[in-house]
Amino acid sequence: GAGVSQSPRYKVAKRGQDVALRCDPISGHVSLFWYQQALGQGPEFLTYFQNEAQLDKSGLPSDRFFAERPEGSVSTLKIQRTQQEDSAVYLCASSDRRPNQPQHFGDGTRLSIL
Amino acid sequence: AQSVTQLDSQVPVFEEAPVELRCNYSSSVSVYLFWYVQYPNQGLQLLLKYLSGSTLVKGINGFEAEFNKSQTSFHLRKPSVHISDTAEYFCARAEGSSNTGKLIFGQGTTLQVKP
Repeated sequence: GAGVSQSPRYKVAKRGQDVALRCDPISGHVSLFWYQQALGQGPEFLTYFQNEAQLDKSGLPSDRFFAERPEGSVSTLKIQRTQQEDSAVYLCASSDRRPNQPQHFGDGTRLSIL
Repeated sequence: AQSVTQLDSQVPVFEEAPVELRCNYSSSVSVYLFWYVQYPNQGLQLLLKYLSGSTLVKGINGFEAEFNKSQTSFHLRKPSVHISDTAEYFCARAEGSSNTGKLIFGQGTTLQVKP
């Protein structure tokens, strides 16, 4: 079946612009996670949704970062007034509600801020 | 805070040789551990997971890992590597008491398999 889909795969923006990154989770997956992966580093947690509810946003680095999942399926991560330190790969993962189910990751969006 | 430490940033190895990628975690009451592989320009693919039960966990592509509570380690092993195993490997743990919660990752280990 289809996996987690992220778009765009690559995004280049000028400093100060707003960007929006999309994640289509696996159909029926209740949980959705966003991670940020800086170059040469492991992914770091940003935020978590269960259905449409954002249950944890403790990893969002600043109030310029905003995520939503209004209908409990597709999610969008928005970054306002981008800065160079926002350059990273943004990974989305989804998982089933059943116990012991692992997270399935998309291929990520590589964001470059000039 | 809960953490994961991968002790080697790069591991070079010749094809068909055995390999071990090391991972240590901070101790806690309940621990759920994972190994993921990341090929260039791709997302993370689950290799194996430890949730409970047998301390020797077998995964895909011939990899296995052993959960060692006394040494707080979860090292990944493969008896004979292939060129196609060249990739970035991440050890991770689920935060808190649930095995479905957010993941805390190590810094990653680059496995370089040489012909």
